[in-house]
Order: sequence, then C-alpha cells, then structure tokens
Amino acid sequence: QSALTQPASVSGSAGQSITMSCTGTSSDVVSSFKYVSWYQHHPGKAPKVMVHEVNNRPSGISSRFSGSKSGTTASLTISGLQAEDEADYYCSSYINNNLVFGGGTRLTVL
Amino acid sequence: EVQLVESGGGLVQPGGSLRLSCAASGFTFSSHSMNWIRQAPGKGLEWLSYISSDSINIHYADSVKGRFTISRDNAKNSLYLQMSSLRAEDTAVYTCASGRQFADYWGRGTLVTVSS
Repeated sequence: QSALTQPASVSGSAGQSITMSCTGTSSDVVSSFKYVSWYQHHPGKAPKVMVHEVNNRPSGISSRFSGSKSGTTASLTISGLQAEDEADYYCSSYINNNLVFGGGTRLTVL
Repeated sequence: EVQLVESGGGLVQPGGSLRLSCAASGFTFSSHSMNWIRQAPGKGLEWLSYISSDSINIHYADSVKGRFTISRDNAKNSLYLQMSSLRAEDTAVYTCASGRQFADYWGRGTLVTVSS
C-alpha cells in the first residue's frame, strides 16, 4: 500500500472544475508535502508534470491546473475541464531519498 | 526539444537478466539527476532508482535493491538499468525520468516481460 492515497476515479463535465486528493498516511509523508508533485499520464504516452512543489506550474502548463495542500492532504484542481484532460493523474512526494507515488486517479470528462 | 528514449526491453525468462538504456537529448544531461520508474500492467507508477548527475548518490526502492543497478555515461548522454534475477512481478513498462524531488522530463518507456 502506497504512503500516498488517491481516489481511484473522479469525473466531471466539460467546463466544470474538479479537485482530486492525495492523502499522506504517515507523519514523515506529511512532512514531505512541500515536495508534492502531480503528473498527467495518457496511456501510451510519456507522463507529464503538471504541478511541482505543491503549487508550481512548469512552463507551458495551463493555469487551469493548480495545486494546494492542507494538513495531511494535497490537492490538484482542474478548472474548465476539457476532453483532453481525461487521463490518469498521479501525485508524488520526495520522501527519504525516494520518489513515492500515489496509486493514481483516473479522470473521466463527461 | 527534450527527448528521453528507452530501449532494451523484451521477453526474458524468470531468473534472467536484461539491460535497459535511456538516450537523452535536448538538455544538458550531465547536469541532471535521473530516475528509473516502472508501471506494471493495470497498476500505478513505481519509482525504482535514482542517480545523481555525478553518479555519487544512488538510491533504490526496496523492491529492486540488490537485483537492479543504475548507472550513467554522461559522455554518451545515456542512463542504464542493469536488471538481474528477474521475476514475473517485474513485468512492466520501464521509463526513465530526470529530476530529484520531482520528475520533470519523462520517456515513453520500454516494455519488459518476464515469463517462461
């Protein structure tokens, strides 16, 4: 079982906003949350970092993607959902010299 | 354009060995830490190993420690993963990715199938 827990699936209609969560299961995980990052993965393609270090977007990533954290939970919010946002999303954190990934959340755009 | 291209995957018998390569271009490879990450069929991402830009710092996930060896050749802009004592549960798409606290550039991966 991963130290980072994500819901298996979330869904939303085009144009709406959704928020997906990533919950830490131990104190050392939560203390590492300053390094939380989020990845978008379309099957068969290379994963792409959407947010790093909680709420930093790499160059070229739409401002529709935003990250936050509160307590033991980090979150990724996608506003103005588009069909191309449908993908698997993974949270990750840097814990004890390891990159730890959550189990992933499949986003379905209705 | 940044490119990471993995190669070396294929079908291998349990207990066998395989060496994966990752060719980097479009960025200063010698300045970047690198990782190997895998995704088993129907499963999520699993980090396997990290190597610093100068190869001094190396870390492994417990699941592969003692069986897999990461290395790099900065002169060839290449990253490697030597895998031995392979098991059925090592079947996965293996991907290289740059970065330390997070993975900024990723390849598309190479499939390794461990089966008799």
